Amino acid sequence: EAGVVQSPRYKIIEKKQPVAFWCNPISGHNTLYWYRQNLGQGPELLIRYENEEAVDDSQLPKDRFSAERLKGVDSTLKIQPAELGDSAVYLCASSLMTHEQFFGPGTRLTVL
Amino acid sequence: GQSLEQPSEVTAVEGAIVQMNCTYQTSGFYGLSWYQQHDGGAPTFLSYNALDGLEETGRFSSFLSRSDSYGYLLLQELQMKDSASYFCAGLFTSGTYKYIFGTGTRLKVLA
Repeated sequence: EAGVVQSPRYKIIEKKQPVAFWCNPISGHNTLYWYRQNLGQGPELLIRYENEEAVDDSQLPKDRFSAERLKGVDSTLKIQPAELGDSAVYLCASSLMTHEQFFGPGTRLTVL
Repeated sequence: GQSLEQPSEVTAVEGAIVQMNCTYQTSGFYGLSWYQQHDGGAPTFLSYNALDGLEETGRFSSFLSRSDSYGYLLLQELQMKDSASYFCAGLFTSGTYKYIFGTGTRLKVLA
């Protein structure tokens, strides 16, 4: 069974540029999560989807971040414009049960 | 709000037993999960406790005490490959549910 797929794995951009991350969850997992993880810290939830509905986006900085999961399968997270403080690893996860989440390899974003 | 606290670092020798603790705020608490993350890797699920007591999976065991708002992950027969960060994650419910990760404990296993 294929795991959670994310791309790109690495991205380096200059501040004020846009960036997008893509995630394909494990087949059959209706719940999809986007997390941000700073160095030495635990993952912080940005948004959670149940199928195509965003059921928790309370931690998403909506002035610059947006996400979509149009057909209830794969998802895109966008930042526009990026700021220096957005440098982090962006993790996508999927699950059938909330307490057992399967994570993708993440996208390491560096904003210069 | 909900938060989970973990010691930042633990060091142990190969073959030993190590316990990594996690304390949480009780408001809306439902259950506690544990994840392992190697440097540069993704978190991987280890265990989940919804009830008080010990859950064992091979060399890994996880314990929960709701009355003490406390849990721990126990690793036995430590191996070098166990060097990683370990995160507890609490499931909290208040209308909807929230899954919040702890601050993480970095485990160093010495030869």
